[in-house]
Amino acid sequence: AQSVTQLDSQVPVFEEAPVELRCNYSSSVSVYLFWYVQYPNQGLQLLLKYLSGSTLVKGINGFEAEFNKSQTSFHLRKPSVHISDTAEYFCAVVKRGYQKVTFGIGTKLQVIP
Amino acid sequence: GAVVSQHPSWVICKSGTSVKIECRSLDFQATTMFWYRQFPKQSLMLMATSNEGSKATYEQGVEKDKFLINHASLTLSTLTVTSAHPEDSSFYICSAPPDSGQGYGYTFGSGTRLTVV
Repeated sequence: AQSVTQLDSQVPVFEEAPVELRCNYSSSVSVYLFWYVQYPNQGLQLLLKYLSGSTLVKGINGFEAEFNKSQTSFHLRKPSVHISDTAEYFCAVVKRGYQKVTFGIGTKLQVIP
Repeated sequence: GAVVSQHPSWVICKSGTSVKIECRSLDFQATTMFWYRQFPKQSLMLMATSNEGSKATYEQGVEKDKFLINHASLTLSTLTVTSAHPEDSSFYICSAPPDSGQGYGYTFGSGTRLTVV
């Protein structure tokens, strides 16, 4: 079975500073990788996804992530954060050919003005 | 893009009553719907998978008789929390996989905050 580890439960960062949210996964087979954002009392919104091809994936709101197969990582980055980026971010993995999604525990990004 | 409409957004009910949560796919047909539960400060835990035209598949440890799932049509899936108790208070989210099932990104409902008093 696949698993997802988000190493940081909370990440405080000043506004306009860069941020990296870490995600590592383990799986014995090929997977698809996702990052989702959840604002308070809301559902999840897809930020970006890696299916195949280029390992650098660009998503919405200026976020990007890089798939590193050798390190089994899919870290999320943004060069300059805004107050509105304050939310919880979930890394997720889906085993290719299947539909069930496995989520990480989430990382709360707190942008400090 | 694909949209899943989930209602209600929040509900408060008395202990012992039942609550129904609906998820509708608005512009596509969802033959499958996943139901998740999210506890405070925790990730989403898959409860069950509903399939149109067949019985739902429940994850280990989830009470089938308590969490009734019905996939009435290709655009509607419901979760009914029966005889709710305070420990059932949680955030419930539904999700539909993409039509092709190829992992292009799952569409989530906006969630339902259930509080049982």
